[in-house]
Amino acid sequence: QQKVQQSPESLIVPEGGMASLNCTSSDRNVDYFWWYRQHSGKSPKMLMSIFSNGEKEEGRFTVHLNKASLHTSLHIRDSQPSDSALYLCAASMGMGYKLTFGTGTSLLVDP
Amino acid sequence: NAGVIQTPRHKVTGKGQEATLWCEPISGHSAVFWYRQTIVQGLEFLTYFRNQAPIDDSGMPKERFSAQMPNQSHSTLKIQSTQPQDSAVYLCASSPFQGGDERLFFGHGTKLSVL
Repeated sequence: QQKVQQSPESLIVPEGGMASLNCTSSDRNVDYFWWYRQHSGKSPKMLMSIFSNGEKEEGRFTVHLNKASLHTSLHIRDSQPSDSALYLCAASMGMGYKLTFGTGTSLLVDP
Repeated sequence: NAGVIQTPRHKVTGKGQEATLWCEPISGHSAVFWYRQTIVQGLEFLTYFRNQAPIDDSGMPKERFSAQMPNQSHSTLKIQSTQPQDSAVYLCASSPFQGGDERLFFGHGTKLSVL
């Protein structure tokens, strides 16, 4: 049983559209959440992190976190074909702890 | 900065043979992680070192897997008596782990194929 669940497994959005990805942890000890992006044939790269309740925006990317429900979401506006990748959510118990990853959401942006 | 370097890029072993995977972390990073990635299981944590000391090996299959970090410039993951289910991409990552920066920087991985 994966402790970090991501949905949907795959997602297709038109170029210029909004992509919304979800992630929930079943481990109540987690405190920090991370989003990584992995392009096909490449290694994962950190996209954003969020540790406090609320919202964080960086360019076209916005992450939300609800600590009570251990749910985070990533929203990509004005999606571009270059955003097509596997998006991995990870959770940790805090600084200095291992990251536990979900199995990812595969995003395809249709030009 | 060459990033995290992993060698070899590909390794093919026969069932029952030993495989050793190498990782050179980014200079100055104090934490080194090993993960493996498969389509079915995703990215699974294996073990991690901080300042060369083993911190958490809870993901390691105990009987056949071992990891070491003899100095700050490299870490090895050894798999004895490899089995087909060990086939995966093994990813090494390093992290500064200071100043609140705990981003993982991944290497390109070693693709292990056990025949």
